[in-house]
Amino acid sequence: VLTQSPDFQSVTPKEKVTITCRASQNVGSNLHWYQQKSGQAPKVLIKYVSQPFSGVPSRFSGSGSGTDFTLTINSLEPEDAATYYCHQSSSFPLTFGGGTKVEIK
Amino acid sequence: QLQLQESGPGLVKPSQTLSLTCIVSGGAITSGSYYWTWIRQHPGKGLEWIGYIHQNGNTFYNASLRSRLAISMDTSKNHFYLNLTSVTAADTAVYFCARVGAANGLKFFQPWGQGSLVTVSS
Repeated sequence: VLTQSPDFQSVTPKEKVTITCRASQNVGSNLHWYQQKSGQAPKVLIKYVSQPFSGVPSRFSGSGSGTDFTLTINSLEPEDAATYYCHQSSSFPLTFGGGTKVEIK
Repeated sequence: QLQLQESGPGLVKPSQTLSLTCIVSGGAITSGSYYWTWIRQHPGKGLEWIGYIHQNGNTFYNASLRSRLAISMDTSKNHFYLNLTSVTAADTAVYFCARVGAANGLKFFQPWGQGSLVTVSS
């Protein structure tokens, strides 16, 4: 089970956003982050804890290991309004966190 | 560039079978070593992995759906399929198809189809 917090965050542009994902068991480095904008499919942002996927802006970063992980958005942009999900590919069933909705104030 | 697109009926009656096709373009479904995946999202909710099929035909299913689920592929058409039997209103969701790598370093979902809303209702 992946538990994300917070569920919702309302943030002013240029602020820093921190989203956490806690795993109920050790997932090693098999933890990825996705961004889902309203009405769209998710897109991978960060793979394997801290590796940015191709084309992802540098303001997105990930960290952590084992059971505790963090997605950080430095200097939030208006286009970052979305729901963010963590996902573990360590063991079956593959699972996602419950999501964190980021709203722009 | 690889693209995936879901296709199928948007409305299914309770107790019937939900059938969806994922049309893969821009690359062969047999190229590389990948799992071809179905994921769903209940309205306003999070993401649920349904299962996937490797190009060698091996399948892996979410245990919560295994008794009703079949994922298959047709390499000649470059398509893969989802069949979910005995559906109820709880199966109403947006269904996504996606690709995930089998090799270390590639085990994340990318790309995704745009999603197909399936409503279970009489």
